Amino acid sequence: GAVVSQHPSWVICKSGTSVKIECRSLDFQATTMFWYRQFPKQSLMLMATSNEGSKATYEQGVEKDKFLINHASLTLSTLTVTSAHPEDSSFYICSARDGGAGANEKLFFGSGTQLSVL
Amino acid sequence: RKEVEQDPGPFNVPEGATVAFNCTYSNSASQSFFWYRQDCRKEPKLLMSVYSSGNEDGRFTAQLNRASQYISLLIRDSKLSDSATYLCVVKGTGGFKTIFGAGTRLFVKA
Repeated sequence: GAVVSQHPSWVICKSGTSVKIECRSLDFQATTMFWYRQFPKQSLMLMATSNEGSKATYEQGVEKDKFLINHASLTLSTLTVTSAHPEDSSFYICSARDGGAGANEKLFFGSGTQLSVL
Repeated sequence: RKEVEQDPGPFNVPEGATVAFNCTYSNSASQSFFWYRQDCRKEPKLLMSVYSSGNEDGRFTAQLNRASQYISLLIRDSKLSDSATYLCVVKGTGGFKTIFGAGTRLFVKA
């Protein structure tokens, strides 16, 4: 199946710093990627939909100036958590859609990034 | 009401047991249904799609009841390696997002 690579796996940073997370589709072109956040024992919550060559679409309640998304190529999307604070500590996962949108689309996930802000 | 609801568990079962999970969804226009498995601090992995006629993959059986808007997952002959969180996932068409349930935790004990 399709492979999605996400880096880094773990990040520990000081409050106020910015953290960039990369998500790459390795063997297919992903025009759309999704970014999720997951707090312990909770569901994956969609943060934003990243579209190649255009602005990301953010879900309600997600600050677009805090979570910067760039999808400059068909195989790479990045999420930058700007001025991170302890409440931003979470598990961030990206996914990419293999194939066209539709009821039968499959999502392939990156391995996730555990962010801990001190 | 949440769009996708699951019993959070945890379900604690002995090896060899049969265990069933249910999931309900609120949007009657939902088109596609899946079960994903997620291990602690790992990415979700597709376990199986759920078809209207029901489908089976080895020890796993998934069923869909559109009238009642729920899907189920049955695991027979549980293995220790089945311990994980099982996510119910629902998707529609026309821009309807993929919605994840909060997951049901399963612990299989020796």
